[in-house]
Amino acid sequence: AQSVTQPDIHITVSEGASLELRCNYSYGATPYLFWYVQSPGQGLQLLLKYFSGDTLVQGIKGFEAEFKRSQSSFNLRKPSVHWSDAAEYFCAVISSGSARQLTFGSGTQLTVLP
Amino acid sequence: KAGVTQTPRYLIKTRGQQVTLSCSPISGHRSVSWYQQTPGQGLQFLFEYFSETQRNKGNFPGRFSGRQFSNSRSEMNVSTLELGDSALYLCASSLDGGNIQYFGAGTRLSVL
Repeated sequence: AQSVTQPDIHITVSEGASLELRCNYSYGATPYLFWYVQSPGQGLQLLLKYFSGDTLVQGIKGFEAEFKRSQSSFNLRKPSVHWSDAAEYFCAVISSGSARQLTFGSGTQLTVLP
Repeated sequence: KAGVTQTPRYLIKTRGQQVTLSCSPISGHRSVSWYQQTPGQGLQFLFEYFSETQRNKGNFPGRFSGRQFSNSRSEMNVSTLELGDSALYLCASSLDGGNIQYFGAGTRLSVL
């Protein structure tokens, strides 16, 4: 069965600092990978996705992620964090085929200090 | 283009009651999935509907059910509510054959 691990429950960074959120997955075939962000009381917004091709993918709000097959990782990065980036971030994988079921990590809560 | 719309946004029910939540997908999207989000269990897949048929189901008891209408709108129903059903219920829609799911703002259900 597929699984996603986000080892960091909570990360605190200062505004303007760089950010890296970790994500490791377990999946037999080439996975379809996603990062979503959730602000308090809101649904999930898609930041970026990886299906195939270039392993460095760009997303919205200045985020990027790199797929590393050898490490089974899909880490999210941002060079300079803004106070509005404070939210919870979820890494997810979707199974291929007809079953469009997302499996999520447990999430990383990001706090941004002024 | 309007996003995924979930109604109501908030619900308060008591144990033993039943509840129905509604989801209107993005126009043109025919696949609707439901997820439950709780602090303890995180985000868990409930079921997916496509063309009025349940195509996939997660590991939830039979008290959780859903349906999809010909206009792709979907409802989920929870019968005999338990305290542990308190959660944020999220609906997501996607194009037929698409792997990208777009989420609504969710329905916050509180069971007292």
